[in-house]
Amino acid sequence: NAGVTQTPKFQVLKTGQSMTLQCAQDMNHEYMSWYRQDPGMGLRLIHYSVGAGITDQGEVPNGYNVSRSTTEDFPLRLLSAAPSQTSVYFCASSLGQGNSPLHFGNGTRLTVT
Amino acid sequence: DAKTTQPTSMDCAEGRAANLPCNHSTISGNEYVYWYRQIHSQGPQYIIHGLKNNETNEMASLIITEDRKSSTLILPHATLRDTAVYYCIVRVFNTNAGKSTFGDGTTLTVKP
Repeated sequence: NAGVTQTPKFQVLKTGQSMTLQCAQDMNHEYMSWYRQDPGMGLRLIHYSVGAGITDQGEVPNGYNVSRSTTEDFPLRLLSAAPSQTSVYFCASSLGQGNSPLHFGNGTRLTVT
Repeated sequence: DAKTTQPTSMDCAEGRAANLPCNHSTISGNEYVYWYRQIHSQGPQYIIHGLKNNETNEMASLIITEDRKSSTLILPHATLRDTAVYYCIVRVFNTNAGKSTFGDGTTLTVKP
């Protein structure tokens, strides 16, 4: 049981480049989310999904796109990378009911130069 | 979801109990208190949650005051591996956990 898997672990981009951060979970969780964490700070919600085909914006959605074509996968796309997007990105998932907790991946460390 | 307030940092001696407070004075009746921790920039890890009764599991105990406006996470015998950032959040039952708001948490340093 792999849980939540994020790839790549590290990435360096130049300003203006685009890329996709991958997130996959094998727990059949309905809910998936993307957070970013800047140095020394807490997590901020970028986008979330309550099921395949359904996504919505979180606190800091600008500059990012998501889609949810399957239950398992929730990729995060950076459209045109900016130095302000240098951060650690965490993907999380949870069951869709009750008081189920979040399960996090180990993050993607992104540097934009 | 209700906001939470935590101290920025705390120290604890190895082997002693670590008591981490959290204030959630605007919590509503259907909101649960959750605790997570983040060790050395890994993904946050779920610890425990509760509604109004005290809870205990293999990792920690959660004490919620009778008025539910504050809670304390207790690590009974802290080890060096418990050094981490601890997050207290509140969430309405049966809602999307993925919309949870994480503040800056409490940095717990366990010292030898």
